Amino acid sequence: EVQLVESGGVVVHPGGSLRLSCAASGFTFDDYTMYWVRQAPGKGLEWVSLISWDGGTTYYADSVKGQFTISRDNSQNSLYLQMNSLRTEDTAFYYCAKDKIGGRAAYYFDYWGQGTLVTVSS
Amino acid sequence: VIWMTQSPSLLSASTGDRVTISCRMSQAISSYLAWYQQKPGKAPELLIYGASTLQNGVPSRFSGSGSGTDFTLTISGLQSEDFAVYYCQQYYSFPITFGQGTRLEI
Repeated sequence: EVQLVESGGVVVHPGGSLRLSCAASGFTFDDYTMYWVRQAPGKGLEWVSLISWDGGTTYYADSVKGQFTISRDNSQNSLYLQMNSLRTEDTAFYYCAKDKIGGRAAYYFDYWGQGTLVTVSS
Repeated sequence: VIWMTQSPSLLSASTGDRVTISCRMSQAISSYLAWYQQKPGKAPELLIYGASTLQNGVPSRFSGSGSGTDFTLTISGLQSEDFAVYYCQQYYSFPITFGQGTRLEI
């Protein structure tokens, strides 16, 4: 059974930093492109970032480019999101998600974690 | 950036009804469109990809159609568990974008 479990969401002050983690199991992690998608409370979905199966390719939404860094450790079946210079508008549930297709990415998501809440507030 | 207009934002229906949700793109995306369902307090779930291919395990009352700029999600014979928020997502080009969502309520 595929499982994605995010952690690391807390309350942080504006300008602060945070690292989110996503522990994956139930599939061959290093075969798949992985993603972060966020959702502000009561709002819609926003794609944040992706990382290829080998970590060699990353993409970011313009809203987080230069501020967030996605990474992965295939030996630990883990995905990460380093978040710096946090702003109040970064407050959201952050979901990690798995690509539907192994190898070459499909860019849509067949499994999602339960989400972790990041609150940026003074 | 490909902009997506999803409509309606709110849809009221009854069990047994047939409903349609529309997703219109600012430019053609071939069939690179997915649909998701999200229930309160839960993560989204993939329903349809490639505009019309049903994800494994999704009931056949869900169907998708369209290509280019206009897409539709249809639910035939609404069940109580279908009342949720639905999102379309384009994956034709970066950035990946989602529609604003359609809340389907009783």
